[in-house]
Amino acid sequence: SQQGEEDPQALSIQEGENATMNCSYKTSINNLQWYRQNSGRGLVHLILIRSNEREKHSGRLRVTLDTSKKSSSLLITASRAADTASYFCATDEYGGSQGNLIFGKGTKLSVKP
Amino acid sequence: DTAVSQTPKYLVTQMGNDKSIKCEQNLGHDTMYWYKQDSKKFLKIMFSYNNKELIINETVPNRFSPKSPDKAHLNLHINSLELGDSAVYFCASSRQGAGNTIYFGEGSWLTVV
Repeated sequence: SQQGEEDPQALSIQEGENATMNCSYKTSINNLQWYRQNSGRGLVHLILIRSNEREKHSGRLRVTLDTSKKSSSLLITASRAADTASYFCATDEYGGSQGNLIFGKGTKLSVKP
Repeated sequence: DTAVSQTPKYLVTQMGNDKSIKCEQNLGHDTMYWYKQDSKKFLKIMFSYNNKELIINETVPNRFSPKSPDKAHLNLHINSLELGDSAVYFCASSRQGAGNTIYFGEGSWLTVV
């Protein structure tokens, strides 16, 4: 069954604004990962946050994880037109098979110049 | 240098045909995967191989048969193609062990007509 659910499904902002995407999941996890997919391209790994971590930064990306609420958020600061893409969260279930990431349906982000 | 490469990128074929998608990774990873992304962008694992051994075999019709000649290659063969097989198929790889980053190929767009 589907694990991650991103919210919102679509987000449109102006260049320079911040973009926040949320992800909720259902079971205990080892880690949660965020991926980006440009139109017609493969998935690019952005950041991994382990279940014992609460916040992680990478450049303009900030990810938080709240295991008590089973939710995560991805914040992109000072967005650029090149950030336009779909963003997916994926959970590595505790006790699950290696590599069996459970993906959400993604948030489609559009950054207007 | 492409880390995970798959061919062909686009494939249009008629119902009933048999086709293969090839995948190679040059990252030295022990584990490789096939994921399927449907028309609604939902991404789900199909198979996982670790050192040429099948680890995950999700509920996939047996018309789909993965083959791993060595740990750098994982090919996907599909027999008797059906309209519902139209999707994007992603090959991926990772180091052995839970919680490792999964690296995806660019995808193979399969259209069955």
